[in-house]
Amino acid sequence: RKEVEQDPGPFNVPEGATVAFNCTYSNSASQSFFWYRQDCRKEPKLLMSVYSSGNEDGRFTAQLNRASQYISLLIRDSKLSDSATYLCVVITGNTGGFKTIFGAGTRLFVKA
Amino acid sequence: EAGVVQSPRYKIIEKKQPVAFWCNPISGHNTLYWYLQNLGQGPELLIRYENEEAVDDSQLPKDRFSAERLKGVDSTLKIQPAELGDSAVYLCASSRQGGMITFGSGTRLTVV
Repeated sequence: RKEVEQDPGPFNVPEGATVAFNCTYSNSASQSFFWYRQDCRKEPKLLMSVYSSGNEDGRFTAQLNRASQYISLLIRDSKLSDSATYLCVVITGNTGGFKTIFGAGTRLFVKA
Repeated sequence: EAGVVQSPRYKIIEKKQPVAFWCNPISGHNTLYWYLQNLGQGPELLIRYENEEAVDDSQLPKDRFSAERLKGVDSTLKIQPAELGDSAVYLCASSRQGGMITFGSGTRLTVV
C-alpha cells in the first residue's frame, strides 16, 4: 500500500459544479498536510494547508479526518480555471527528521 | 521574495552523456529537495538536504546520480551516464525545516 493515495481521476465536471477529492495516508503519526495545485507543464504550487479544524479559502475547503486518516478538498462553484492536477502532501516526523510525501495527484477538468 | 531558481529549463541529451542541473533555493530555506516527476505521477524525492548535509538520499540511484550542496545554499544534481529512462522533469524545492515546500520551475530532461 502506498503511503499517500489519491484517486487519479480524471474528474470531469461542468462549470458551477461542486467537486471533492480525498487523499488517504497510512502513517497515523503524520502531522502536517497540504494541498498543492499543478497546472500542465508547470511546477506544483501550494493551494492551502489542512488543519484539524478545517480550512476554508473562498471556494476551497480542506479538511482533515485523523480517525480515518484522510484529507479532503472541496471545490464549490467550479471555474474553468480550476482545471489542474491536485496533489496532496503529507509530512511525518519532527525536528529530528521528517519525511514529505506527495500523492500522485487527482486530475480535474472543468468544462463549459 | 525570490523563488527557487533552476536552470536549465530544458535539456536534450543523447544517452550515455552526462548532464547537470543547478538550483538556488529561497534565501533562508535550509532544506533543499530534488524531486523527479514523470508524466501523470506525483513528485518523487531523490534527495533532501538540511543545510549541506544529505539527510535522505535513499531514493537516489547512486550508480549514476550524484548531488552536492557544498556551502549549504545552491545545489547541483548530476546524472552520468544518462539513460533513456531518465527522461523526466527534475524539480528542485526548498523549505524551512518541516514547512511547506516551494518548487522551482523544473528542468525537463529528454534523453534520446
